[in-house]
Amino acid sequence: GENVEQHPSTLSVQEGDSAVIKCTYSDSASNYFPWYKQELGKRPQLIIDIRSNVGEKKDQRIAVTLNKTAKHFSLHITETQPEDSAVYFCAATPYSSASKIIFGSGTRLSIRP
Amino acid sequence: GAVVSQHPSWVICKSGTSVKIECRSLDFQATTMFWYRQFPKQSLMLMATSNEGSKATYEQGVEKDKFLINHASLTLSTLTVTSAHPEDSSFYICSATADGVSNQPQHFGDGTRLSIL
Repeated sequence: GENVEQHPSTLSVQEGDSAVIKCTYSDSASNYFPWYKQELGKRPQLIIDIRSNVGEKKDQRIAVTLNKTAKHFSLHITETQPEDSAVYFCAATPYSSASKIIFGSGTRLSIRP
Repeated sequence: GAVVSQHPSWVICKSGTSVKIECRSLDFQATTMFWYRQFPKQSLMLMATSNEGSKATYEQGVEKDKFLINHASLTLSTLTVTSAHPEDSSFYICSATADGVSNQPQHFGDGTRLSIL
């Protein structure tokens, strides 16, 4: 089945700097890759997603890139702010099971003032 | 739009009790709902996929007789943890998608924190 690996597990950056989180997936047929932000004790919130027919997508300070050949995708947050501090999860949808998504292990992002 | 309500948000009960958690899609019909379990500082682990009107599909290692799932309507799925024990204490989250065929974002409930004494 699909396996999603995510790193780093923790990341601390200075406010205003950029943060990058990387993920790899195993199922070459996966075609949907959402990213979620989860604050402590709260629901995961979709922040951006990308489909396999697109290589890059940007939404204000957040961007995601996808390399299908290498089977990896990355989240880029620029001009980080204190409210960006949270746990971020990447995920992938195995082609064999529409809508089911497999999560990465998560990255705890801390923004230093 | 796309609001998912989960109830209750907190449950504390004695070992051996059965606990039911409800997941409702408030403003859309959910063809498919998913149940996850999340232990502290860990990722969301998919437990089962629930399709309206059919039996749930459980992930490997999840006991279907212990975690009973019912998806009787397009807006409601329930998870019942039967004879709960302390090791079942966790954060349970449901999600729903309106389209079970093509890939659509999942919308999550607020989660239920279950503590078994």
